[in-house]
Amino acid sequence: AQTVTQSQPEMSVQEAETVTLSCTYDTSENNYYLFWYKQPPSRQMILVIRQEAYKQQNATENRFSVNFQKAAKSFSLKISDSQLGDTAMYFCAFMKHRNSGNTPLVFGKGTRLSVIA
Amino acid sequence: GAVVSQHPSWVICKSGTSVKIECRSLDFQATTMFWYRQFPKQSLMLMATSNEGSKATYEQGVEKDKFLINHASLTLSTLTVTSAHPEDSSFYICSAGREAHYNEQFFGPGTRLTVL
Repeated sequence: AQTVTQSQPEMSVQEAETVTLSCTYDTSENNYYLFWYKQPPSRQMILVIRQEAYKQQNATENRFSVNFQKAAKSFSLKISDSQLGDTAMYFCAFMKHRNSGNTPLVFGKGTRLSVIA
Repeated sequence: GAVVSQHPSWVICKSGTSVKIECRSLDFQATTMFWYRQFPKQSLMLMATSNEGSKATYEQGVEKDKFLINHASLTLSTLTVTSAHPEDSSFYICSAGREAHYNEQFFGPGTRLTVL
């Protein structure tokens, strides 16, 4: 079974500063996907960034980037130039890769991020 | 594209009644849908996997007779909470996967269920 661990229940950052959210996971799978999702007060799940395990290059999406360390099973999210709208709950998630068929996501417990003006 | 809707967004019901929650993929065919449950200030926990035209697969500890899931078409899955009790009060979220796009899922906006 896969597990995802987020060890920071809450974090805060000053507006325009950089913050890193931590995530580790455990799996015996060799091929899989890792995600960071944002859940604002509306509770709509929003995909922030996705990493494919077979790709060595770290994924980036504008101000969001990851540090994917496959051997260490670590997948941290860096948010640069933090904005007030980044205030939300952030979930790290794991998904097995299959050549056919969708598989469910396994979520960490989340990190509540507050961006302070 | 890839929009998923849920209805209702919020429902309040009396203890002992049944409530049906719909999850629809609006602009794609969802071969698989997933139902998650989220208690306040907690993470999402998978309840069941729903494949079109077949019986749902429930996670350990989830009562299949209490949480009835039907995936009758490629765009609709329903979750019925039968004989609801206050402890069933929670936020229920569905997600949908597309054929040949196995590296992503699309989430509905969620349904808040309050059982009095």
